[in-house]
Amino acid sequence: AQTVTQSQPEMSVQEAETVTLSCTYDTSESDYYLFWYKQPPSRQMILVIRQEAYKQQNATENRFSVNFQKAAKSFSLKISDSQLGDAAMYFCAYRSAGGAQKLVFGQGTRLTINP
Amino acid sequence: DVKVTQSSRYLVKRTGEKVFLECVQDMDHENMFWYRQDPGLGLRLIYFSYDVKMKEKGDIPEGYSVSREKKERFSLILESASTNQTSMYLCASSLWPHRGVGEETQYFGPGTRLLVL
Repeated sequence: AQTVTQSQPEMSVQEAETVTLSCTYDTSESDYYLFWYKQPPSRQMILVIRQEAYKQQNATENRFSVNFQKAAKSFSLKISDSQLGDAAMYFCAYRSAGGAQKLVFGQGTRLTINP
Repeated sequence: DVKVTQSSRYLVKRTGEKVFLECVQDMDHENMFWYRQDPGLGLRLIYFSYDVKMKEKGDIPEGYSVSREKKERFSLILESASTNQTSMYLCASSLWPHRGVGEETQYFGPGTRLLVL
């Protein structure tokens, strides 16, 4: 079974600075997807960024980028120019490319932005 | 925009009560999911469905059942609520992936915080 581990329960960063959230996963599969989801205090979970395992290029979405290291099974999220609105719980998630469509989530990292 | 709604934001029930949590999506998604979220454990999958009347057990199905009579609606049922089912419940939906890369993203509802006394 696949597992996802987020080893940082809490992180904080000064506004406008850069922060990196860590995620590692364990799988024997070669084809899969990885996601970062954000859950603001209002509780609506939204997708931040996704990465296909077959793509070597790291995904980017504006201020959000990932460092995908397939051999190391590592998938970290970098947030540049942090803003107050980035404060949230961040979840890393894994999904197999075939078969069941379920997501396997990490434990989450609570990110605080200091003004 | 995809919209996933859940019937209640907050719910308080007594031990032994039968509890229904409803989820509706408006984007014609084939897949629907129920997760529970607990601090330090992240989200764990309870059940999912990839078609009307079809259901599959997730990682923690014990004490729960589901119903999907219509494509847009997926209900989670707690047959006899217990205090250890106090949690945040999140519903999600997604397209069946054969429609194209990128469309497998799951979209979440706002969640229902359930307290069982």
